[in-house]
Amino acid sequence: AQKVTQAQTEISVVEKEDVTLDCVYETRDTTYYLFWYKQPPSGELVFLIRRNSFDEQNEISGRYSWNFQKSTSSFNFTITASQVVDSAVYFCALSDPNYQLIWGAGTKLIIKP
Amino acid sequence: KAGVTQTPRYLIKTRGQQVTLSCSPISGHRSVSWYQQTPGQGLQFLFEYFSETQRNKGNFPGRFSGRQFSNSRSEMNVSTLELGDSALYLCASSSSTGTPETQYFGPGTRLLVL
Repeated sequence: AQKVTQAQTEISVVEKEDVTLDCVYETRDTTYYLFWYKQPPSGELVFLIRRNSFDEQNEISGRYSWNFQKSTSSFNFTITASQVVDSAVYFCALSDPNYQLIWGAGTKLIIKP
Repeated sequence: KAGVTQTPRYLIKTRGQQVTLSCSPISGHRSVSWYQQTPGQGLQFLFEYFSETQRNKGNFPGRFSGRQFSNSRSEMNVSTLELGDSALYLCASSSSTGTPETQYFGPGTRLLVL
């Protein structure tokens, strides 16, 4: 069965620090997709990245970067030089064979000024 | 393009009542999925509609139902509301081209059952 684990329930850092959010997944599928979403206090889930299982290249988008390692079944997310606006709950998700998303429990990120 | 819209944004109901939530997907998107989010259970998949047909269903009781119209707009209905149905209900749309396409979410409807 598929499963996504975000072991960090809450992380608190001071602005400008770098922070890494961990995501570990379980699946028996050889083809799968991984996602990260951000949920600010307003509640709307904002799409950040989608990655398929055949593309292990790391991705960088501005201050955001993702490290995908199939060997450890991890898809970690790093924010460089964090800002207060980054404060939110971040979710990692895995697609199931029906293309629906299996969600992690989320990591609440608090950036203090 | 306009994003996913959901109405109403907030709703207060009492136990035993029923409620209907509405979702308008991004123009051109034919797949609409519904999720329930609660502090205790997190994000849980309710169902997905594609071309007016329910394509996938999560593990929720029959009190939860939905439908999709020819313009891809979707509604979900919860009958005989229970206190535990208090949650944020999120709708997501995707283009659904045959691979797990990105789902884009609406702002959600916060339902409070008293």
